[in-house]
Amino acid sequence: AQTVTQSQPEMSVQEAETVTLSCTYDTSESDYYLFWYKQPPSRQMILVIRQEAYKQQNATENRFSVNFQKAAKSFSLKISDSQLGDAAMYFCAYRTRSGSARQLTFGSGTQLTVLP
Amino acid sequence: EAQVTQNPRYLITVTGKKLTVTCSQNMNHEYMSWYRQDPGLGLRQIYYSMNVEVTDKGDVPEGYKVSRKEKRNFPLILESPSPNQTSLYFCASSSRTGGNSPLHFGNGTRLTVT
Repeated sequence: AQTVTQSQPEMSVQEAETVTLSCTYDTSESDYYLFWYKQPPSRQMILVIRQEAYKQQNATENRFSVNFQKAAKSFSLKISDSQLGDAAMYFCAYRTRSGSARQLTFGSGTQLTVLP
Repeated sequence: EAQVTQNPRYLITVTGKKLTVTCSQNMNHEYMSWYRQDPGLGLRQIYYSMNVEVTDKGDVPEGYKVSRKEKRNFPLILESPSPNQTSLYFCASSSRTGGNSPLHFGNGTRLTVT
């Protein structure tokens, strides 16, 4: 079974600075998808970015980018020019490509605080 | 507007009193799922459904039931709630069971069982 580990329960960053949230996962599969979700205080789950394992190029979405290291099974999220609205719980998630219906496996989350 | 609608948003009940949390999506998605979120544990899958009349257990199915009689609806049933089911619950849907199609989440139901 796949597992996803987020080793940083809490992180803080100064407004306008850059922060990196770490995520590692364990799988025996070679093809899969990885996601970062954001959960602000409103509780809504918002997709931030996704990465396909067969793509070597790291995904980017505006101020959000990932560092995908397939061999190391690492999938970190970098937030540049942090804004107060980035404060949230961030979840890393794994999804198999093999057709299994088990869908997303989530990490335990990292609570990000943005300091003004 | 494409969305997943969960109700109620907050629910307080007592041990043993049957309850249902409703979930409906308007995107014609085949796949629907229920998760519970607990501090330090992230989101864990309770049940999922690949299509109408097809449901299966996730990682933490004990104490829960689901049904999928219509494509758009996927209610979560707690026949005899217990305090350890106090949690934040999310319904989610997607268009395919695999691939990079993202899950669309409802806004969550905060359940307290006393």
